[in-house]
Amino acid sequence: GNSVTQMEGPVTLSEEAFLTINCTYTATGYPSLFWYVQYPGEGLQLLLKATKADDKGSNKGFEATYRKETTSFHLEKGSVQVSDSAVYFCALSEVQGAQKLVFGQGTRLTINP
Amino acid sequence: EPEVTQTPSHQVTQMGQEVILRCVPISNHLYFYWYRQILGQKVEFLVSFYNNEISEKSEIFDDQFSVERPDGSNFTLKIRSTKLEDSAMYFCASSEWLVDSRSPLHFGNGTRLTVT
Repeated sequence: GNSVTQMEGPVTLSEEAFLTINCTYTATGYPSLFWYVQYPGEGLQLLLKATKADDKGSNKGFEATYRKETTSFHLEKGSVQVSDSAVYFCALSEVQGAQKLVFGQGTRLTINP
Repeated sequence: EPEVTQTPSHQVTQMGQEVILRCVPISNHLYFYWYRQILGQKVEFLVSFYNNEISEKSEIFDDQFSVERPDGSNFTLKIRSTKLEDSAMYFCASSEWLVDSRSPLHFGNGTRLTVT
């Protein structure tokens, strides 16, 4: 079945460091890909998305490119801030107009000042 | 910005008891969902609901689970006889249309259910 695998956490970085959180997926068809973020005490919020190969999603300085050849959707940010500390979830919807998302296990990110 | 609200934030119950988790989806959304996350594990889909009926459910969503939209605003998840392994964070979500890039899921803050 379809699945999403994220890099193991937790990840701890210093402020202004470069961030990469790896995400790979297994899917039939052409899924849409998402990154969700969960700040402490809050629900999951959509961070960015991409619907087809080579699409780049971006938001709040974060970027991720839909790579069909490597089945990946790695999350990157050039210079992280303390306020980026959260849990990040990679997810896919199996087809357009799907009923559900399939999530990765989440990666906890801590940014130290 | 409108948001999905869930109550309570934390529920403690004894094994075998019934629990009802409550959610108020975003008002103009048509699709409603429950997901759960057992501590340290992935967020898992439980059920989707549209037009007053279940449209899809996972293997997890067995006869112990039920969902209901009792009025125009609330969406509830009932667990009839809780088991220890039901302890998890339960997330309610809603979307305007079926899930895709134009209609992402909006999640609530979750209800942490602890079964003792």
